[in-house]
Amino acid sequence: AQSVTQLGSHVSVSEGALVLLRCNYSSSVPPYLFWYVQYPNQGLQLLLKYTTGATLVKGINGFEAEFKKSETSFHLTKPSAHMSDAAEYFCAVSEGAGGTSYGKLTFGQGTILTVHP
Amino acid sequence: GAVVSQHPSWVICKSGTSVKIECRSLDFQATTMFWYRQFPKQSLMLMATSNEGSKATYEQGVEKDKFLINHASLTLSTLTVTSAHPEDSSFYICSAWTGGYYEQYFGPGTRLTVT
Repeated sequence: AQSVTQLGSHVSVSEGALVLLRCNYSSSVPPYLFWYVQYPNQGLQLLLKYTTGATLVKGINGFEAEFKKSETSFHLTKPSAHMSDAAEYFCAVSEGAGGTSYGKLTFGQGTILTVHP
Repeated sequence: GAVVSQHPSWVICKSGTSVKIECRSLDFQATTMFWYRQFPKQSLMLMATSNEGSKATYEQGVEKDKFLINHASLTLSTLTVTSAHPEDSSFYICSAWTGGYYEQYFGPGTRLTVT
C-alpha cells in the first residue's frame, strides 16, 4: 500500500519569497512521484514527476522537487513566488512500471498556497 | 498538449435519478482512464480504473453497481451514477493515460449536486 502526507494544509508566502511545500510518502516498492497543481474549479495539471534517474527534477513555472529516498520525501520548491502561483498543490505517488497498481495515483491531502503582495 | 474533456461540467439532479458523465481524450488514444472523486476541501480519491473493452476495476469501498463505468473506445469513458443521493454530491474527475512513462492527463472535472 502507498500513502502520501503533505505537511501543512495551508502555506502562505510573500511574493518573491521561497516556496516550500512538503511531501512525504510511504511505498513498499520503488515509487513514481508527482506534483500537480489545481486552480479553482479546474482539473489537475502536472508540474513535475520523478520516475527514475536524476533525483532533482525540474518542472514547469520554475518549480522543482528532489527525491530523497532516505527521507522518503519529495518536497516542492520554487525560489521566488509569483501571485499566479496561488493554487492548491497535490503530491501523488504511484508504483513504478511492473507493479500491480502501476498507473494508479494516491494523492496527498493537498496544500493551498497563498501568495501575498 | 493532450486534452481531456468532461461533460457536463456541472449537473444538478434529483435524488433517485441517474446521471451520466463523459470523459473524452480529444487528441490522443487512452488505453486506461481513471475516475476520481473529490469532496470539498479534500484530496482526490481513486474510484475505479477503466480499460478500453474490458470491465472496470473498482477500489475497495466503491459500489460498482452504483457507479457504472463504460469504456467503449480508446477516447471515451463514461461514469453513470445510478439512483443518486445527496451524499453522492461531489466533484468527479477523470484522467486518461496511455501507459508507460507518459503522464496522466486530467479532465476539468464535473460537479454533481444531488438535491
